[in-house]
Order: sequence, then structure tokens, then C-alpha cells
Amino acid sequence: DVKVTQSSRYLVKRTGEKVFLECVQDMDHENMFWYRQDPGLGLRLIYFSYDVKMKEKGDIPEGYSVSREKKERFSLILESASTNQTSMYLCASYTTGGNTEAFFGQGTRLTVV
Amino acid sequence: QQQVKQSPQSLIVQKGGISIINCAYENTAFDYFPWYQQFPGKGPALLIAIRPDVSEKKEGRFTISFNKSAKQFSLHIMDSQPGDSATYFCAASGPSSGTYKYIFGTGTRLKVLA
Repeated sequence: DVKVTQSSRYLVKRTGEKVFLECVQDMDHENMFWYRQDPGLGLRLIYFSYDVKMKEKGDIPEGYSVSREKKERFSLILESASTNQTSMYLCASYTTGGNTEAFFGQGTRLTVV
Repeated sequence: QQQVKQSPQSLIVQKGGISIINCAYENTAFDYFPWYQQFPGKGPALLIAIRPDVSEKKEGRFTISFNKSAKQFSLHIMDSQPGDSATYFCAASGPSSGTYKYIFGTGTRLKVLA
């Protein structure tokens, strides 16, 4: 059974904290991304990674950074959490070429207080 | 950033009716057009997908119609049921600028009334 696993379902952090969201996939996929999902705004791409140590900024990278040191793991880092980063965060992975389904994690609901 | 434009943002349909969601894409190199279904508290999951060499694909009550010349595709849900109430995302993927991109629409929240 293929899996994308996000480290936490729910997180509550304080303003100014450094926050790490972890995502692990077991399908040997080259590509991984992080989206945030907000009511009325749909899915907005934060960062995309197409290989180990390779990354591209998405639509809303400000306030975020990412790390991909191993193929299976893609981490999203909130350098200094702010209340406007309260959101649902979704990680997904997919392989390159062909009929390529994207597999999503269950999401992390982050609340910054 | 390349876009996939999705409409409507929300949709209310009576049980037994037809739900229609539309998407338009920009990059003619895209070669895979999936639809994802998301229930509250869950990540999106693949519902149905089409490649551009066919104009229609049907799986049960779900049909994708694809118009390559217009760069548009749509999801039709026949005989809509309350259990179909969810958020639906279209997507387009394919080679772009040396990588294989996956671009999502903004989503449509569907509510099917019993």
C-alpha cells in the first residue's frame, strides 16, 4: 500500500517559533511538493522538489523554506511562525512521466497562536 | 507559474442531478489531466484521469470531457449523490522547463442535497 506520511495531524505553535513539518514517501518518487489549503483559496503551491537537494519556489514561498536531503523525505520549515500561516498543509509525491498519479499525505492542521 | 483555472468555486446540486466542473489549462505540453476528490479531514485522492489522445473517459457516474483545441476539460458527475459532497480539484501535469510539473486548480466545493 503506497504511502505519503506527514509527521503530525495537528500542531499548535507560538508566534515566532521555528516549525518543522515532515513528509515521507515510500514509493521512490522523484517529485514532492508542499501545498497549503485555505478556505476559498484552494491549493497554493509553496515549494516543489524534483530531486534530492533540488527545489523550486511555488506561488507563496515567503516565510517558508524546504529541505530534501534524502529522496524519501521533504521537510517544510517555517522560519518564524506567524498567525497568517495558520492553515492546512498538504504534502504529496509523484513520479516523472507516464500516467502519474500524485499521492497525498493526510495533511497537517497547523495553528499558530 | 502556469495556471489551471477551475470553475465554479462552489456548486449545489439536487440528488440525482448532474454536477459539472470546468477547467482550463495553458501549457500545451501537459499530457495528463486528473481529477482529485477530497473529503473533510483527508488529503485529495485520485478520482479519474484522462490523457489528451481521447476526448472522453467514463468511470461509473464520473466522466471527463476533454477539448484539446480549446485547452479545456470538465468533470461530469451523473446522478449526483449526497456521498459525492466533497471538494474537487482538477490538475494538469507534464514536462515543463526541464522538470515534470503538476499544477492544480483552485478547487470546487460540491454539495449534493438529499
